[in-house]
Amino acid sequence: NAGVTQTPKFQVLKTGQSMTLQCAQDMNHEYMSWYRQDPGMGLRLIHYSVGAGITDQGEVPNGYNVSRSTTEDFPLRLLSAAPSQTSVYFCASSYSGHMNTEAFFGQGTRLTVV
Amino acid sequence: KQEVTQIPAALSVPEGENLVLNCSFTDSAIYNLQWFRQDPGKGLTSLLLIQSSQREQTSGRLNASLDKSSGRSTLYIAASQPGDSATYLCAVRPAADAGNNRKLIWGLGTSLAVNP
Repeated sequence: NAGVTQTPKFQVLKTGQSMTLQCAQDMNHEYMSWYRQDPGMGLRLIHYSVGAGITDQGEVPNGYNVSRSTTEDFPLRLLSAAPSQTSVYFCASSYSGHMNTEAFFGQGTRLTVV
Repeated sequence: KQEVTQIPAALSVPEGENLVLNCSFTDSAIYNLQWFRQDPGKGLTSLLLIQSSQREQTSGRLNASLDKSSGRSTLYIAASQPGDSATYLCAVRPAADAGNNRKLIWGLGTSLAVNP
């Protein structure tokens, strides 16, 4: 099982550049989300989706866009990268229910904006 | 506001020791609590999920307990091995979420080093 797959694993961007972080899952999970992990701050929710065609904002959505055209894929777009977006990004998926909602995470994308 | 705290922040033990990692949360209204392992530069691996109605879960040498009323969970690792060296994170899923964001609230983790 591939689980949750993120690409790329590492990326360096210049300020103002745009890019898309890819995330795909093969578990038929309805719920997908993006987190960023920063030292001393823990993981914070950026955007999430409860199913194809439905997305919403999390705690720190500014500077990021998402779309969910299929159940499997949930890309995260940085429209104009800023040094404050230097972070490790994790994509996660789970079933949509509240109780048995074990979250599965990808390997992460380490992004540096210079 | 739900807050999750993990103590200690770092722990170093000799191989073979049994150890306990602690996680506390401020609001007992949770759906579940999940323990993860993170290796340096790697992703997050789910270790154990405890539903709010459960008291403990076991997987191999790992045992996680949950005392929802006191806002505490412990991860017990038996007979620790150097391969257990990693950062251990706990996360709770609040039951009082607005909407459907189902977000996890995270602790900062305990960095564990098991020395041969």
